[in-house]
Amino acid sequence: KAGVTQTPRYLIKTRGQQVTLSCSPISGHRSVSWYQQTPGQGLQFLFEYFSETQRNKGNFPGRFSGRQFSNSRSEMNVSTLELGDSALYLCASRTSGREYEQYFGPGTRLTVT
Amino acid sequence: AQSVAQPEDQVNVAEGNPLTVKCTYSVSGNPYLFWYVQYPNRGLQFLLKYITGDNLVKGSYGFEAEFNKSQTSFHLKKPSALVSDSALYFCAVGSGGGADGLTFGKGTHLIIQP
Repeated sequence: KAGVTQTPRYLIKTRGQQVTLSCSPISGHRSVSWYQQTPGQGLQFLFEYFSETQRNKGNFPGRFSGRQFSNSRSEMNVSTLELGDSALYLCASRTSGREYEQYFGPGTRLTVT
Repeated sequence: AQSVAQPEDQVNVAEGNPLTVKCTYSVSGNPYLFWYVQYPNRGLQFLLKYITGDNLVKGSYGFEAEFNKSQTSFHLKKPSALVSDSALYFCAVGSGGGADGLTFGKGTHLIIQP
């Protein structure tokens, strides 16, 4: 079974721009979560989607948003990029039956200049 | 609110020796505890979890962890370390049906010296 895939793997953007990251979960997984990983803050939960609905949201500003499609693929968008948004963005998926065993993708490395 | 503490930024162990990576947690209700490992330029890989049942949990690559409710700890252990175990290890906690997402510790760099 194919793992979680994320595109693109690397991205360089300029302050003020916006960016969209994509995540394809493992086939059959309906839940997708997004995390931000930085050296200073570690891994922080952004939000989780299940069946196209946002179930929970972490403590991030409204510039960070996401959505999930009917095929469970998910996108996250960051508007008005700031230097501090430079991070590794990780997507994770899980089934509804094994609530917590999340499977992570390789991440998208976003650099904001 | 839930939280996880990994008190050691780095743990150094000689190959063949036992290793322990420490984790303590705070959560309302019953904890759901996890260990993940991250290799350079890779995503996180699931190692093991404690949801309920036996306090000693066995996971991938020979790792195990012991859930201690009174000490609110979930330390990761391995009887004999391998150089290939060198990586960044994360402890995580969740609660109540998964709705709150996982809270991760800061991570511990495990370095196994040949």
